[in-house]
Amino acid sequence: AQTVTQSQPEMSVQEAETVTLSCTYDTSESDYYLFWYKQPPSRQMILVIRQEAYKQQNATENRFSVNFQKAAKSFSLKISDSQLGDAAMYFCASPNTGNQFYFGTGTSLTVIP
Amino acid sequence: DAMVIQNPRYQVTQFGKPVTLSCSQTLNHNVMYWYQQKSSQAPKLLFHYYDKDFNNEADTPDNFQSRRPNTSFCFLDIRSPGLGDAAMYLCATSRDPGTVNTEAFFGQGTRLTVV
Repeated sequence: AQTVTQSQPEMSVQEAETVTLSCTYDTSESDYYLFWYKQPPSRQMILVIRQEAYKQQNATENRFSVNFQKAAKSFSLKISDSQLGDAAMYFCASPNTGNQFYFGTGTSLTVIP
Repeated sequence: DAMVIQNPRYQVTQFGKPVTLSCSQTLNHNVMYWYQQKSSQAPKLLFHYYDKDFNNEADTPDNFQSRRPNTSFCFLDIRSPGLGDAAMYLCATSRDPGTVNTEAFFGQGTRLTVV
């Protein structure tokens, strides 16, 4: 079974600064994907970034990037130049080969103007 | 261009009165999921369909059932809602397992209140 752990229930960042959200996971799969999802208050869950485990290069999407450490089973999200619209719950997710998505407990990010 | 649509957005039901939540998708995805999300918690997978194959999570109460009459629609039935079933219910879809870059697409959720 997949387990996904987010150890930071809440984080805050000053606008325009950088913040890193942590995630660790455990899987028995040999090939897998990892995802970060964002859930703004009262709005739907949307994909922020994905990482394919067999790719050594860390994924980047504009201001969002990951630090993927496969051996350590760590998958952190870095948000650069934080904006007020980045305030949300962030969930790390790991699907298994049955395509069941399992989520971490989430990190609530506050952006301070 | 809504892709995963959940109706209604807000549902109030009486304790013990059956309720059905709806989800439809325009993505033609094989897999559809139902999640329960309580306040400040992670979404908890209840079950998912791969085409017509139903897959129940081991810890999903019998009170929760689902139907998928066709590719586009999926329903969550709560036979006898209790106060503890009050939550946000999220529907999601994804492509075939094993498809490169599979991701889950979510609806806006239905917030269920039990009175």
